[in-house]
Amino acid sequence: GEDVEQSLFLSVREGDSSVINCTYTDSSSTYLYWYKQEPGAGLQLLTYIFSNMDMKQDQRLTVLLNKKDKHLSLRIADTQTGDSAIYFCAESRGGTYKYIFGTGTRLKVLA
Amino acid sequence: NAGVTQTPKFRVLKTGQSMTLLCAQDMNHEYMYWYRQDPGMGLRLIHYSVGEGTTAKGEVPDGYNVSRLKKQNFLLGLESAAPSQTSVYFCASYPRRTFNSPLHFGNGTRLTVT
Repeated sequence: GEDVEQSLFLSVREGDSSVINCTYTDSSSTYLYWYKQEPGAGLQLLTYIFSNMDMKQDQRLTVLLNKKDKHLSLRIADTQTGDSAIYFCAESRGGTYKYIFGTGTRLKVLA
Repeated sequence: NAGVTQTPKFRVLKTGQSMTLLCAQDMNHEYMYWYRQDPGMGLRLIHYSVGEGTTAKGEVPDGYNVSRLKKQNFLLGLESAAPSQTSVYFCASYPRRTFNSPLHFGNGTRLTVT
């Protein structure tokens, strides 16, 4: 996707924390999202953060937003094998129709 | 509620053949999108629609056409398929003017062009 970058792969051991990173370039982004894609399925929304927030926590998920560096991260605590999937960050730009997706990070959780 | 339904789930085409992918949503959403997903490239927007009877080009529109004759349906057409169009195609929808609402995705259509 244009202007939104992620590393392609991440491997962690079960029970460890996973941190998936994303950088974006458009400072007008209003909302930033994390989507999860399981094999053979479409994307499902995991969580989102409004651009005036620094952090959002939702059970095992923590989203951190650094607007100055245009950096977004998703931390999954106590990673489980069921968390193995592709994770996409996405941004929506204020006042537009556009959702721009990153390239996706494939998370592999080792038992 | 079925959400977003895509048909077919799989298709194999020969170069030069044509086909139409159908997306149907039962949530009364205004906005509908067609994306393609390729390894290492994420999701790229092909075409989108902001309402019945309107369509517009996204990032990678060449070789595709779309129509939105009914609010609930968004069709993606390939007039003359090429191997470069081998991909997984996703349709998505979301309500108008609610930027904190998630995109609702279908389960995808896997297309192979030989």
